[in-house]
Amino acid sequence: EDQVTQSPEALRLQEGESSSLNCSYTVSGLRGLFWYRQDPGKGPEFLFTLYSAGEEKEKERLKATLTKKESFLHITAPKPEDSATYLCAVQATDSSYKLIFGSGTRLLVRP
Amino acid sequence: NAGVMQNPRHLVRRRGQEARLRCSPMKGHSHVYWYRQLPEEGLKFMVYLQKENIIDESGMPKERFSAEFPKEGPSILRIQQVVRGDSAAYFCASSPRQDANTEAFFGQGTRLTVV
Repeated sequence: EDQVTQSPEALRLQEGESSSLNCSYTVSGLRGLFWYRQDPGKGPEFLFTLYSAGEEKEKERLKATLTKKESFLHITAPKPEDSATYLCAVQATDSSYKLIFGSGTRLLVRP
Repeated sequence: NAGVMQNPRHLVRRRGQEARLRCSPMKGHSHVYWYRQLPEEGLKFMVYLQKENIIDESGMPKERFSAEFPKEGPSILRIQQVVRGDSAAYFCASSPRQDANTEAFFGQGTRLTVV
């Protein structure tokens, strides 16, 4: 069964304290791995798509990496406005392009 | 993403009533996905539609739930005879084509409360 597990469930950082969020996945064949940001009361906001092991993508203070079993979202020198829930999702090659989501990591960055 | 429009944003229904949730995809997008997010849980896939076709409804409860995406107008998720367990946030996502190199953009969601 295709599955996505995110850790930690919650993370508190001081402003400027870099860290990484983990997304482990089990899927028959990976079509793509997606990272989204979700603010309270809002819909998920697309961040990155990664397709193959070794691929990396960056956007401002965020950098996503992908291996054959997991993905990391690295946050460098975070700011309070980076506080949100970060969602990881996979799309399997034998599926109908639906996304299978993890439960998310709630990030709080304190000033 | 403001491009995917969902309405209403909030919906309150009494047990036994019907709930209709609407989703207008981004311009040029012909693929629509519905997801449900229960409190403190991740998003769960419900149904994938293209214009006038249901492609995958494997995540949709067999009873009381139905979805459509007509040739003209928004996609509709319909929940008949709602129960308290249906209280959740329902999100719609759209993409321009069925392709690996396509990210899905989400709407702001409809928060359904069953009282």
